[in-house]
Amino acid sequence: KQEVTQIPAALSVPEGENLVLNCSFTDSAIYNLQWFRQDPGKGLTSLLLIQSSQREQTSGRLNASLDKSSGRSTLYIAASQPGDSATYLCAVNPLGAGGTSYGKLTFGQGTILTVHP
Amino acid sequence: GAGVSQSPRYKVAKRGQDVALRCDPISGHVSLFWYQQALGQGPEFLTYFQNEAQLDKSGLPSDRFFAERPEGSVSTLKIQRTQQEDSAVYLCASSLFLGLKQPQHFGDGTRLSIL
Repeated sequence: KQEVTQIPAALSVPEGENLVLNCSFTDSAIYNLQWFRQDPGKGLTSLLLIQSSQREQTSGRLNASLDKSSGRSTLYIAASQPGDSATYLCAVNPLGAGGTSYGKLTFGQGTILTVHP
Repeated sequence: GAGVSQSPRYKVAKRGQDVALRCDPISGHVSLFWYQQALGQGPEFLTYFQNEAQLDKSGLPSDRFFAERPEGSVSTLKIQRTQQEDSAVYLCASSLFLGLKQPQHFGDGTRLSIL
């Protein structure tokens, strides 16, 4: 059974710092991996999606890397801002029969990020 | 609408009552997912639809949980004889087609509280 772990569980940093969030998964047979952001009382917003054949994806100040063989992904946030405060969730999309997938995601427990001015 | 819409946003029910939660996916999205998110945890998969067909219901906790998507668009998650452990946020997500290279778009969820 796929298990996804996120470290740290919570992180508090001053504005302007660069930071790294970690995600590890036990089964390397994945189709892709997705990073989400969740604000209190809200649903999930997709930040970055990395296909299993890719090593990294970038969007603005966000960069996500994937090392499938070691079962790890990192989310790098540059020059953090108070508006980045949220819970960040990592989710893996398992590889199904025939090398396809339909998107049944397995999530980590999330990292609660607080960026203070 | 532009995004996934869920209703109601909040639902309070007494133990033993039946509840129905609604999801309106993004128009044209083939895949629809239901997830359950307990407080302080990541979402957990409940069930998956491809159009009107329920292809995976392996995550439904018990036979008190039932989901349908009769016309391949709106979906309803029904919980019968609710228990306190059913209290959670229920999230609906849709994606364009089979999740292949497509991110899932989530609604804001329904927060269910069972008294």
